[in-house]
Amino acid sequence: KAGVTQTPRYLIKTRGQQVTLSCSPISGHRSVSWYQQTPGQGLQFLFEYFSETQRNKGNFPGRFSGRQFSNSRSEMNVSTLELGDSALYLCASSWTGDAAEPAKNIQYFGAGTRLSVL
Amino acid sequence: SQKIEQNSEALNIQEGKTATLTCNYTNYSPAYLQWYRQDPGRGPVFLLLIRENEKEKRKERLKVTFDTTLKQSLFHITASQPADSATYLCAPGYSSASKIIFGSGTRLSIRP
Repeated sequence: KAGVTQTPRYLIKTRGQQVTLSCSPISGHRSVSWYQQTPGQGLQFLFEYFSETQRNKGNFPGRFSGRQFSNSRSEMNVSTLELGDSALYLCASSWTGDAAEPAKNIQYFGAGTRLSVL
Repeated sequence: SQKIEQNSEALNIQEGKTATLTCNYTNYSPAYLQWYRQDPGRGPVFLLLIRENEKEKRKERLKVTFDTTLKQSLFHITASQPADSATYLCAPGYSSASKIIFGSGTRLSIRP
């Protein structure tokens, strides 16, 4: 079974631009979560999608948005890029993200997209 | 809000010894805890899950404990090897919310 696929692997953008990152979850997984990882802040939760709906949201500005398609694939968009947005963006999928069934909430991560904002 | 604390400093262990990593949480008691391993430049990989009604869980050389009184989980690697060098993350889970929040991680280095 194929793992979580994130594209592109690397991106270089300049301040003010916008960027779209893509995530294809493991087949059958319906929950997709996005995380930002920086050396100083660790792994920060951005948002979670389930059945095309945003189910949970972290503490990030509105410049960060996402969506999920009917096939569970997800995209994340960052508008008006800032230098501080340089980070590794990780996508993780799980079966249902059902809090009542911990085994179905195990996160399977992709390799990430390394975004550099110049 | 929930606070998750892991050893902020790197842990350096001699090969063959047992490495013990700590995860402390405050405020809300999780229904379960997950532990992950992350290598540089890669996404975290799930290792173990322990529920609140379980005291201990084992998998090969790995052992996790969960003490709801101390609000702490310990992660042990016995007979450590240089290949165990990585950052280890704990992630408490709650029955009321599906999102998973990670601790900052502990960097473990096993020297030969």
